[in-house]
Amino acid sequence: NAGVMQNPRHLVRRRGQEARLRCSPMKGHSHVYWYRQLPEEGLKFMVYLQKENIIDESGMPKERFSAEFPKEGPSILRIQQVVRGDSAAYFCASSPGQAEQYFGPGTRLTVT
Amino acid sequence: EDQVTQSPEALRLQEGESSSLNCSYTVSGLRGLFWYRQDPGKGPEFLFTLYSAGEEKEKERLKATLTKKESFLHITAPKPEDSATYLCAVSSNTGKLIFGQGTTLQVKP
Repeated sequence: NAGVMQNPRHLVRRRGQEARLRCSPMKGHSHVYWYRQLPEEGLKFMVYLQKENIIDESGMPKERFSAEFPKEGPSILRIQQVVRGDSAAYFCASSPGQAEQYFGPGTRLTVT
Repeated sequence: EDQVTQSPEALRLQEGESSSLNCSYTVSGLRGLFWYRQDPGKGPEFLFTLYSAGEEKEKERLKATLTKKESFLHITAPKPEDSATYLCAVSSNTGKLIFGQGTTLQVKP
């Protein structure tokens, strides 16, 4: 049973470019959560999605960030016009319900 | 405001020296308290879920306990491979996890 998969594992973008981060949840899990871990800071919640629905986006920056979890395919976290402050590790977690969450290996985004 | 505070920030132990990590929380309507382990460059690895005061769970050298205001992660006779950052989190009523800053444990042989 494969765990949560994220790709790419490392992503380098220049300021102003777009970053697309993908997350495939564990088999049978329909709940997906995105978290961000800034250098020297703890994990911060960004968004919670179920298939085709955003349930809670209270942690998402108001501009440039968006997330989706389509009926088919992985969940996508999209960051438009990246800035240096977006450099961080982005983790996806999945859950079969509102229970324990299982995390992927993360995508490390570096903005140059 | 929901909040999680972990102490100490860092802990150094000798192999075999038992100790405890603390997690204090304030949350409106606790739906679960979670412990994770995170190794450098990796994602958090799920360890335990606790739901109600008085509950305890064990896994190898680790034991987690829960009261109405805090949780403890007891480490008995640790080994160097137990070195990692241990994260505590609480689940809010929407299901999102609110994490503490973590305790970085180093176990020396």
